[in-house]
This record gives sequence, C-alpha cells and structure tokens, in this order.
Amino acid sequence: EIVLTQSPVTLSLSPGERATLSCRASQSVSSYLAWYQQKPGQAPRLLIYGASNRATGIPARFSGSGSGTDFTLTISSLEPEDFAVYYCQQRSNWPLITFGPGTKVDIK
Amino acid sequence: QVQLVDSGGGLVKPGGSLRLSCAASGFTFSDYYMTWIRQAPGKGLEWVSYISNGGDSIYYADSVKGRFTISRDNAKNLVYLQMNSLRAEDTAVYYCARENWYPDIWGRGTLVTVSS
Repeated sequence: EIVLTQSPVTLSLSPGERATLSCRASQSVSSYLAWYQQKPGQAPRLLIYGASNRATGIPARFSGSGSGTDFTLTISSLEPEDFAVYYCQQRSNWPLITFGPGTKVDIK
Repeated sequence: QVQLVDSGGGLVKPGGSLRLSCAASGFTFSDYYMTWIRQAPGKGLEWVSYISNGGDSIYYADSVKGRFTISRDNAKNLVYLQMNSLRAEDTAVYYCARENWYPDIWGRGTLVTVSS
C-alpha cells in the first residue's frame, strides 16, 4: 500500500495570505496525484488532478506541483470560502487508491 | 446537471445488512467506472470498491472483501453497495463517486451507523 503523509496537520492563516500544503508518498506515484477540498458536512471536491491540472471550474488561485514522492498544493491568496480540509490522493497503483490524512486550513 | 444522489444509510446492528444506492444523472452513466469511498466520523477518506462501466470488473478493499458487494444497473443509472456482516468499524459516511481517472463527481454521502 502506498502511504501518503500530509503536512502540516493544521495551517492557521488569514484571508489574503498564501497557503502551501505538502503531500509526501511512501514510494513514487509519478504524477498520479490529486487534491480535494472538503468543507464540513459536504462531500470532497476535486481541485487538482495529475499533480498540476486544475479540475473544471476551479479558480486559478489553486495550483499543484510535484512528481515522484513530493507534492505541493498552493492557494495563492486565501478567500473566506477556502478554509476547509484538503486531502491528497494517489492512483499510481489503481485500484488500490489511497488518501492522505488531510490538512486543515483554518482562520488565524 | 451532473449529479450523484446516494441513499440507503441508517442504523444497523452488528452482523446486520444494508444496501446503499446511488442514482446518477446528467452524464452517460454506462461510460464510467463507479466507486464507493467512505469516511468514518471525524476521520479521513478510505476507498471501498470499484465497478467497471460494464460491471464485469470489480475490486474491493481488503477491509470489506467477502462482506460487501458492488453492482450496477446501467438501464436505471444506479450503482449499489450491498453490505453484509457489518461491524462497528464500518460506521461511516459512504460516498459514491464517478471515476474519471480520479473520483471527480461525488454524491452527498449517506451515513451508516453500526451499533447495538
């Protein structure tokens, strides 16, 4: 099983600040990595797929980078609606997809 | 619009059974693999099962293999998850999702609680 580790666990920032979230894989997943946003009581929403491609309708302030074992999700300037939990997910050894434990971005 | 509506959750005793349903609309259902993913209360996401677009290829997580059965009805745009021999650790919100290289469209989720 490919284990994903996310850091930090919690990120406390103010609106307008830049958020940088990290996801590390226990072995190379090439570029087969996605990022999701989840708000309380809602389903996850796909933000980034293939490590760096924005999903349909996702604002340009969200960007993804990385390959192999180290990945980053960047939110260039936090909007009030961006405070949520973010998960990374790998599909390198599909169908055994796995998710990271999540990073909570909360308001400072 | 593209939408998934999952249903069928509820309270069940350990060892009991439940069948979840997921109704798809707004896209050609028979073109896509479908998946179930669950989330225990306050926890992260765990993949449960996949079914191919034609229903002939099926995959399960080890944690549910032999107890859960995924199926689909392409004529009705429905995917199911039959859950037997339920355990307390199966308590979670269960989401159905469309697989488009990644789970890209998700239902709102249905809560399954396994408790005596």
